[in-house]
Amino acid sequence: QVELQESGPGLVRASETPSLTCAVSGYSISSGYYWGWIRQPPGKGLEWIGSIYHSGSTYYNPSLKSRVSISVDKSKNEISLKLSSVTAADTAVYYCVRHGSWLGPFDIWGQGTMVTVSS
Amino acid sequence: QSALTQPPSASGSPGQSVTISCTGTSSDVGGYNYVSWYQQHPGKVPKVIIYDVSERPSGVPDRFSGSKSGNTASLTVSGLQAEDEADYYCSSYAGSNNPYVFGTGTKVTVL
Repeated sequence: QVELQESGPGLVRASETPSLTCAVSGYSISSGYYWGWIRQPPGKGLEWIGSIYHSGSTYYNPSLKSRVSISVDKSKNEISLKLSSVTAADTAVYYCVRHGSWLGPFDIWGQGTMVTVSS
Repeated sequence: QSALTQPPSASGSPGQSVTISCTGTSSDVGGYNYVSWYQQHPGKVPKVIIYDVSERPSGVPDRFSGSKSGNTASLTVSGLQAEDEADYYCSSYAGSNNPYVFGTGTKVTVL
């Protein structure tokens, strides 16, 4: 059974560059699939941030591309998200997800980690 | 890329049916047969209940069905049950530039 577990700093200050990690268990990232991040501000909808293929190819939401970096650590079976120059608008629950193909759907979700940006 | 448009709310009595629309453009919903629907209970993680417009993952009751016509996709929940009360989000593939766009979300209330 594939499970995703996010971890992150919780509370960060505006302009900082927080790093979030997603530990994957039950499946080797090296074997395939796409792995990504989706966020949800409190009381609001879902927004795709970006995804990474097991080969390391990355794909980002154009609206966040200049501030986002997603990477994979195959030795730890983890993916990471870095979001630079954060503002209050980046306050959200950040979910780690798997999608079985480039065309979706997002079939496995982590429990999410809340990131709050303080000014 | 703008979010797909969903009605903010929908409701029905137990046993009734409710249909939620998801309106996009020819660049997303209308251009591809890759619409998904996600169910999210309060404080919980979203769960995919429909993919590729009308396919159900294993374990999802057949009370949930999906369809598409032109630029609008729809999710129908038949035989409403109390546990169907949740937020529902549609999502569509939207091409290589910004591949995934979500809907604005619909809160379904079981009266």
